[in-house]
Amino acid sequence: AQTVTQSQPEMSVQEAETVTLSCTYDTSENNYYLFWYKQPPSRQMILVIRQEAYKQQNATENRFSVNFQKAAKSFSLKISDSQLGDTAMYFCAAPIQGAQKLVFGQGTRLTINP
Amino acid sequence: EADIYQTPRYLVIGTGKKITLECSQTMGHDKMYWYQQDPGMELHLIHYSYGVNSTEKGDLSSESTVSRIRTEHFPLTLESARPSHTSQYLCASAGLAGGNEQFFGPGTRLTVL
Repeated sequence: AQTVTQSQPEMSVQEAETVTLSCTYDTSENNYYLFWYKQPPSRQMILVIRQEAYKQQNATENRFSVNFQKAAKSFSLKISDSQLGDTAMYFCAAPIQGAQKLVFGQGTRLTINP
Repeated sequence: EADIYQTPRYLVIGTGKKITLECSQTMGHDKMYWYQQDPGMELHLIHYSYGVNSTEKGDLSSESTVSRIRTEHFPLTLESARPSHTSQYLCASAGLAGGNEQFFGPGTRLTVL
């Protein structure tokens, strides 16, 4: 079965610390994108970062970066210098069936403490 | 401004009522999706569409139905709401660029009494 797994249901760190959220996936696609989405409490789901699977270089967006291990089908998200506004549910997503649909992981609830 | 909209944001209704959740996008995307999400839980795809007059059921069985008569509009209908339909419903759309990056609406939180 093609699945996406986030093994950390909840995480909590102090402000300014670095935190890494893990994600593994299983897809039969060859060329695809992977995504991390953020869903703040009672707010809209937004894209945090995406990774093109055929690119060796890990994607970076300001404080957010990924560690993409294609052979291991691992796609972790690192948040540096964490801020209170980073508190949210984080979902990783991978494509299935021709890359037209995404499967989302179970989510990681991240809390940044002051 | 290009965006994706959902109405209503909150809906509380009684059992047996027919409801339609609206979703519209002004981004010109061909692909649109409906997800069901219980609070703090994962998203489950219930319907999707790749263009006008194209609709498919998703991975999670749902008693709802959808239509896609116009590119920008993808409403979801429940003919007879039940308490088991209580959930949050998220609409999303995707275009050709960005590797099928999906853009999400704000969601509709449905409560059926």
